[in-house]
Amino acid sequence: KQEVTQIPAALSVPEGENLVLNCSFTDSAIYNLQWFRQDPGKGLTSLLLIQSSQREQTSGRLNASLDKSSGRSTLYIAASQPGDSATYLCAVEGNTPLVFGKGTRLSVIA
Amino acid sequence: NAGVTQTPKFQVLKTGQSMTLQCAQDMNHEYMSWYRQDPGMGLRLIHYSVGAGITDQGEVPNGYNVSRSTTEDFPLRLLSAAPSQTSVYFCASSSDPLRRTQETQYFGPGTRLLVL
Repeated sequence: KQEVTQIPAALSVPEGENLVLNCSFTDSAIYNLQWFRQDPGKGLTSLLLIQSSQREQTSGRLNASLDKSSGRSTLYIAASQPGDSATYLCAVEGNTPLVFGKGTRLSVIA
Repeated sequence: NAGVTQTPKFQVLKTGQSMTLQCAQDMNHEYMSWYRQDPGMGLRLIHYSVGAGITDQGEVPNGYNVSRSTTEDFPLRLLSAAPSQTSVYFCASSSDPLRRTQETQYFGPGTRLLVL
């Protein structure tokens, strides 16, 4: 059974700092890995999707990497802003549909 | 496009009552799914569908029924609500039923359900 773990569970940083969120998964037989953002009381917004054949994806200040063989992914956020405050969810898709981690709650302090 | 819409936004039920959570998408997506989100548990898949007339169970299907008579709609039915079904329910859709491409899933805003 696929299990996804996200570390840390919560993170508080000052504005402008670069930060890394971590995601690990137990079954490396995946089709893709996705990072989502969830604001309080809202639905999920897709940030980045990395296919299993890819090593990384970039969107603006966000960069996600994937090491499928070791079962790890990182989400790098450059020059963090208060508007980045949200919960970030990692999810993997393989023979079973999306399996989510429990998320990292990020607070960026102005 | 309205994207993925869910109704109602919030519902209170008494134990034993039944109800249907509605989900609709106007993007002609083949793949649709239902998740529940609970504190400390993350999102867990309830049921999913790869096209009209085809449904399958996810991780936590007990107590829920689904059907997919049209491409646009994927309702989730609670036959006899229990307090353990208190949760936030999210519906999602994607254009790729095999989930093998770069196409991501689009999530609805959620339905908050409280079962007393």
